[in-house]
Order: sequence, then C-alpha cells, then structure tokens
Amino acid sequence: DAGVIQSPRHEVTEMGQEVTLRCKPISGHDYLFWYRQTMMRGLELLIYFNNNVPIDDSGMPEDRFSAKMPNASFSTLKIQPSEPRDSAVYFCASSFVGRGAAEQYFGPGTRLTVT
Amino acid sequence: GDSVTQMEGPVTLSEEAFLTINCTYTATGYPSLFWYVQYPGEGLQLLLKATKADDKGSNKGFEATYRKETTSFHLEKGSVQVSDSAVYFCALSDPRGNEKLTFGTGTRLTIIP
Repeated sequence: DAGVIQSPRHEVTEMGQEVTLRCKPISGHDYLFWYRQTMMRGLELLIYFNNNVPIDDSGMPEDRFSAKMPNASFSTLKIQPSEPRDSAVYFCASSFVGRGAAEQYFGPGTRLTVT
Repeated sequence: GDSVTQMEGPVTLSEEAFLTINCTYTATGYPSLFWYVQYPGEGLQLLLKATKADDKGSNKGFEATYRKETTSFHLEKGSVQVSDSAVYFCALSDPRGNEKLTFGTGTRLTIIP
C-alpha cells in the first residue's frame, strides 16, 4: 500500500492567495483527519470525516478554512485568503475504525509558508 | 474532557542509555493508548499501542504498559540508539467512539553518540 499521499509537499505563497492542500487516504479507510502542526500550538485536529461526511470541524480556526471530501479517495483543505499565521505543516491521516483501536496513518505533510 | 500529559522535553541521552518518557492520561471510560514517533521532516508513525488495562505494547525495542490504576502509559527502551532521535507523542482514543485521538504535546528526544 502506498500509504497516505499528500500534495504538494511544500507550498510557498503570498498573503491573500488561495491555497489548496490535497490528500489521498489509504484505500478502504473510512475516516480522514486534517491536522496542523506548529511549534507554538503543537498538533491540532482541524476537521475529520467519516465515509466522506464531515463529523467535527470545531478545530477549523476560522471561515477562511474549508475542507471537502468529494469521494472516498480524495480530500482537500483550502485556505482563502491565506495569512502569514497560517504557516505550518498540515498533515492528513486516515484510519479504519472497523479494526477496533483507532490507529491513524499519517501522510508526510505539506509545509506551508505564507509570506 | 480527555487529555494526555507528557514529560516535558527536550530529553538528551547518550547512546545505550535507558529511556523513559512519562505519559499520563485523563479519560472517562476505557480508551486505547498509543505512542507515535515523528522523525525529522516526516509524518507521525504508530510506534506501539495497547487497547486494555495491563496490555503491553512493544515495537523496535520500545515498550509501554497500560496502567489503569495510575492512568499511565510510560514509554521505555533499554538501550537507545542515535537513530531513535525523534519526537514522541502519547495519544489516547476517544473511549466513546474510538475514531478520534487526543495527542500529548510531544517529547523531543536527542541521542548523542
């Protein structure tokens, strides 16, 4: 299995631009999670989906952030407009809860820099 | 709510030293417990897990025992290597639903030759 795939791996953009991060979960997994990691705030859960349906978006920092999962093999996290404080590493993770314990498999992350 | 408290880092040890990273948790019910490891520039990887009291998870020489009486899941390794340098995260699953993980703040470990 290829694991969780994220693109791009690095993104540098200017303040005010739209940024779209992409994720392909492991085939057969029914949960997908978006996290943000910064030195100041650590690892934060932004939103998660079950069977393509958003379950909890209470971690999304503000309306500039949106996430979609149009099908079981693809999800996007969009920031519009981007701000310097959005600079972070964004991780996507997936899991198959049918196996019991909720171990999550993480992608390699997208390092976002907003100048 | 559920929470995980980890030993503050950074931790620096010499190669072949004994490692303990403390982790305690607060949760209602019976969560599953996990240790994840993050190597530089990479995503988190599951290191080991335990799903019920007194279970011992182990992998790559690391061990942790689910202690319900002390609500702890301390990570140990008898002899660390330079390649163990990474950030270690303790986590628990939501006992009500299993799908969401609550992570600790992470402990940065550096092993010097």
